[in-house]
Amino acid sequence: QVQLVQSGAEVKKPGASVKVSCKASGYIFTNYGVTWVRQAPGQGLEWMGWIGANSGNTNYAQTLQGRVTMTTDTSTNTAYMELESLRSDDTALYYCARVRRDSSGWFRAFDIWGQGTMVTVSS
Amino acid sequence: DIQMTQSPSSLSASVGDRVSITCQASQDIGNYLNWYQHKPGKAPKLLIYDASTLETGVPSRFSGGGSGTDFTFTISSLQPEDIATYYCQESDGLPTFGGGTKLEIK
Repeated sequence: QVQLVQSGAEVKKPGASVKVSCKASGYIFTNYGVTWVRQAPGQGLEWMGWIGANSGNTNYAQTLQGRVTMTTDTSTNTAYMELESLRSDDTALYYCARVRRDSSGWFRAFDIWGQGTMVTVSS
Repeated sequence: DIQMTQSPSSLSASVGDRVSITCQASQDIGNYLNWYQHKPGKAPKLLIYDASTLETGVPSRFSGGGSGTDFTFTISSLQPEDIATYYCQESDGLPTFGGGTKLEIK
């Protein structure tokens, strides 16, 4: 079936980097995009950015520009999100999700989600 | 950036009640508005896209409407399994989520 499986929980120190993976299966990976959304404890959903799985073109949230990098490996149908210079307020549950395009090619809806990866930043 | 104002932030209702949530965009987004359900310990789930189109497999008691800047999400008859936090998300430009509505059973 169509699914996204994410890598396991991480604990990092402030200033470090983290790289989370998201392996897709059950669909043609390059026909869609992958987005990353996070939820800090007690907070709502925050969009982080997205990447075209085939093109590698990215858009990032302005608040994370310069610290986040999203990539894909089409040989393994895996997407990656790397966040640098971690701070305590980066502690959150990180989700990847598949993004559907509309007929114009623009990304629209997040229809399949991974199970989430908890990243804890603590000294 | 487009801002999404969702209300109420929390809502308590009885089983069988009709429940509505509103979402207001800071500028015209056409019908590029999605609704998600998020239960604790689970991944969010897409319920409605393009403001009013039900995602495949989603029960028909869920519906959405609106266009431009004002949108509504409705559950026609609240069921116990609908307890969750609901989010709107604009998809006209770079995505923005509303603040969420936590729905509880009275």
